[in-house]
Amino acid sequence: EIVLTQSPGTLSLSPGERATLSCRASQSVSSGYLAWYQQKPGQAPRLLIYGASSRATGIPDRFSGSGSGTDFTLTISRLEPEDFAVYYCQRYGLSHTFGQGTKLEIK
Amino acid sequence: EVQLVESGGGLVQPGGSLRLSCAASGFTFSSFWMSWVRQAPGKGLEWVANIKQDGSEKYYVDSVKGRFTISRDSAKNSLFLQMNSVRADDTAVYYCARKRQLGGNDYWGQGALVTVSS
Repeated sequence: EIVLTQSPGTLSLSPGERATLSCRASQSVSSGYLAWYQQKPGQAPRLLIYGASSRATGIPDRFSGSGSGTDFTLTISRLEPEDFAVYYCQRYGLSHTFGQGTKLEIK
Repeated sequence: EVQLVESGGGLVQPGGSLRLSCAASGFTFSSFWMSWVRQAPGKGLEWVANIKQDGSEKYYVDSVKGRFTISRDSAKNSLFLQMNSVRADDTAVYYCARKRQLGGNDYWGQGALVTVSS
């Protein structure tokens, strides 16, 4: 079973800064079946990225995903106030696995 | 507009049973895989189960195998999660979610809280 490890656990940045979140898999993620989600308190998760690098419908272009194999990255180019939330990576397929999450907080 | 609305959550005793439902609307339910994902209080997301469009394939996380059953009724546009022999660590908000054909879960319900306690 693939284990996803996200780092850092918490990231403290200011609006306007660039955020880089990491997701490392214990085995290669086939065909780039890797997604990223944003979750705010009291809300359901929101799909941001699928296929490692494709933005979901309606997602601003300041969000980008990259990577392959075992190492994946979510980048937010310029943080907006509404971007401060918890982010999860997910390996999807017939079954799914989530990373433990990265909390992006205002510095 | 795509909508997923969970119901059936509540308080259940350890060892008891509960059935969650998810009413789907705004899309062709029979064309999509569906998922259940849960989140324990203050914790991260945990995938629970997936079911194929026609119900012929089902996949579960190891911790619920043999206790939980995912099912669907396309005539009623509904997804279900039968939870048996529940334990305290099953306490969580349970979300139903649509599984995109190109990957990921693109629409989610608001969640149903299940609390397992005596």
